[in-house]
Amino acid sequence: DIQMTQSPFTLSASVGDRVTITCRASQSISGWLAWYQQKPGKAPKLLIYKASSLESGVPSRFSASASGTEFTLTIYSLQPDDFATYFCQQYSNDFPTFGQGTKVEIK
Amino acid sequence: QVHLVQSGAEVKKSGASVKISCQASGYRFSSFDISWARQAPGQGLEWVGRITVYNGKTKYAENLQGRVTVTADTSTATAYMELSSLRFGDTAVYYCARVKGLGVAGPFDSWGQGTLVTVSS
Repeated sequence: DIQMTQSPFTLSASVGDRVTITCRASQSISGWLAWYQQKPGKAPKLLIYKASSLESGVPSRFSASASGTEFTLTIYSLQPDDFATYFCQQYSNDFPTFGQGTKVEIK
Repeated sequence: QVHLVQSGAEVKKSGASVKISCQASGYRFSSFDISWARQAPGQGLEWVGRITVYNGKTKYAENLQGRVTVTADTSTATAYMELSSLRFGDTAVYYCARVKGLGVAGPFDSWGQGTLVTVSS
């Protein structure tokens, strides 16, 4: 299985902050990476696919990039609705795997 | 508007089986794969399996191979996930999700609301 290592585990931030979450793949995944947002008791919501493509309807303050096997999700100007847990997922082969998640908390 | 609606919570004894349904609407059911993932309490997400609806081909997580079966009924636009020989470690919320179709196995662009499966002694 391809391992996805996500960091940090938790992140404390304030409204208006810029926050960055990192995900590293254990091998090349050719950019087949997605980011999801999950709120307590809810299903995940797709934010980003193919490493940097914004899903329809997702605010433009969400941005993502890739460099080799390292992927980043940036939230520009954090909003109250953005406090949630974020997961990365690789889908480069028949066995998709997820990162452990990053909880974005209110500072 | 894509909508996936899952069946309700289940409580099962260790060693029993559970079968969860996922009814799709708002799109052509046979045109997209359906994947299943689970999330143990307070934990991350684990992929369980996938079905290519139009031809019924399946893929399963290695650690669940032999215990999990994913099927789809195109006449009712419903996918199913059955897990047998339940263990305490199978206690989790199980999600179905539509596979967007870009890439080999993802991403998952619409999700069901989740079904809590609790395994008791």
